Amino acid sequence: DQQVKQNSPSLSVQEGRISILNCDYTNSMFDYFLWYKKYPAEGPTFLISISSIKDKNEDGRFTVFLNKSAKHLSLHIVPSQPGDSAVYFCAGGRNFGNEKLTFGTGTRLTIIP
Amino acid sequence: ETGVTQSPTHLIKTRGQQVTLRCSSQSGHNTVSWYQQALGQGPQFIFQYYREEENGRGNFPPRFSGLQFPNYSSELNVNALELDDSALYLCASRDQGGREKLFFGSGTQLSVL
Repeated sequence: DQQVKQNSPSLSVQEGRISILNCDYTNSMFDYFLWYKKYPAEGPTFLISISSIKDKNEDGRFTVFLNKSAKHLSLHIVPSQPGDSAVYFCAGGRNFGNEKLTFGTGTRLTIIP
Repeated sequence: ETGVTQSPTHLIKTRGQQVTLRCSSQSGHNTVSWYQQALGQGPQFIFQYYREEENGRGNFPPRFSGLQFPNYSSELNVNALELDDSALYLCASRDQGGREKLFFGSGTQLSVL
């Protein structure tokens, strides 16, 4: 049961352009969503989060949009930089219970100089 | 402020053996969780510990067990290793009040032959 899905395994974007990474979920009980970024041989690092009661959160070059009716969220990176090349995971979480995160399978983003 | 550290970085075992993976939480973090990341997949929640007690578990069999120590360091033990246990094992810590930001270690790459 894949509760969080990232249907694009990879994405290539020109440097300076906008990168848009997509994520769909089936569990309407998630209270918040997060994006993590992972470089090879490193653990995932937290990027940005959004509460389920919001539809947008912005932090510098990174903006996350949430469409609850479509059960869809997206991460926008603008402008894209070579250092953004990494694997990006979206994850959903709940406020109560064991507070585990449910991750998608990831999207490998490559920024082309 | 030290980050989350895991040891060893790589490990090779044979089927049927037992393995212990170790994690030192980030300073001040009293909650630790373990995730398994198989090749091409997102991290999957194994279990979480808070104040030395397991307070959440994912869909993993009992041969996956853990411990959290008073200094908040942690161990993941896997008995009767199977080939499918080959994966990257990630430890993550957070302060109890900071549910959104999990801080991950770089992981232990376990290969079961």
